[in-house]
Amino acid sequence: GNSVTQMEGPVTLSEEAFLTINCTYTATGYPSLFWYVQYPGEGLQLLLKATKADDKGSNKGFEATYRKETTSFHLEKGSVQVSDSAVYFCALRNWGNKLVFGAGTILRVKS
Amino acid sequence: DVKVTQSSRYLVKRTGEKVFLECVQDMDHENMFWYRQDPGLGLRLIYFSYDVKMKEKGDIPEGYSVSREKKERFSLILESASTNQTSMYLCASSPRVRRERYVSLHFGNGTRLTVT
Repeated sequence: GNSVTQMEGPVTLSEEAFLTINCTYTATGYPSLFWYVQYPGEGLQLLLKATKADDKGSNKGFEATYRKETTSFHLEKGSVQVSDSAVYFCALRNWGNKLVFGAGTILRVKS
Repeated sequence: DVKVTQSSRYLVKRTGEKVFLECVQDMDHENMFWYRQDPGLGLRLIYFSYDVKMKEKGDIPEGYSVSREKKERFSLILESASTNQTSMYLCASSPRVRRERYVSLHFGNGTRLTVT
């Protein structure tokens, strides 16, 4: 079946530090991969996506590359801000319409 | 911009009550979804609907039912609420396209339900 595994949090960083949140997946075929972000008290927002191998999604300084050989989609940002504090979810969507999520990673950025 | 509106941000209900969670989207999307969010478990799909009056079970449908009488509205029903249904519930929608796996979902802000 389809599944997503994310690194456990919380991840605590100082402002301007480099961020990596690891995400690996298991799926048959060619799923699309997504990162969603959830700010406190809000629903999920799409952060970025990639629909095929070697695609790079990017938005708001965040990037992730779809690596089929390692079945990974790690989220990176070169310099985090306090406003990036949120919960980050990796997800995949395959045939059958469902979006499958990882457990989420809490990010805390200190000033 | 797509707007998915959940009628309540917070609900407190008693064990055994029948609970309705309402969701409305304004972008004429065919697909609508109900997820449950719990710490350490991420989001788990309860039910989804790809058309009016159509529904499909997700991964955790037990104890829930749904209703989709109009395209824009998708209701989640807890027939007899229990304490283990205390959770955050998120509604989402997406358009029907030829390759749906390329398309992301649009989420509402969630309803935090407490069953006492």
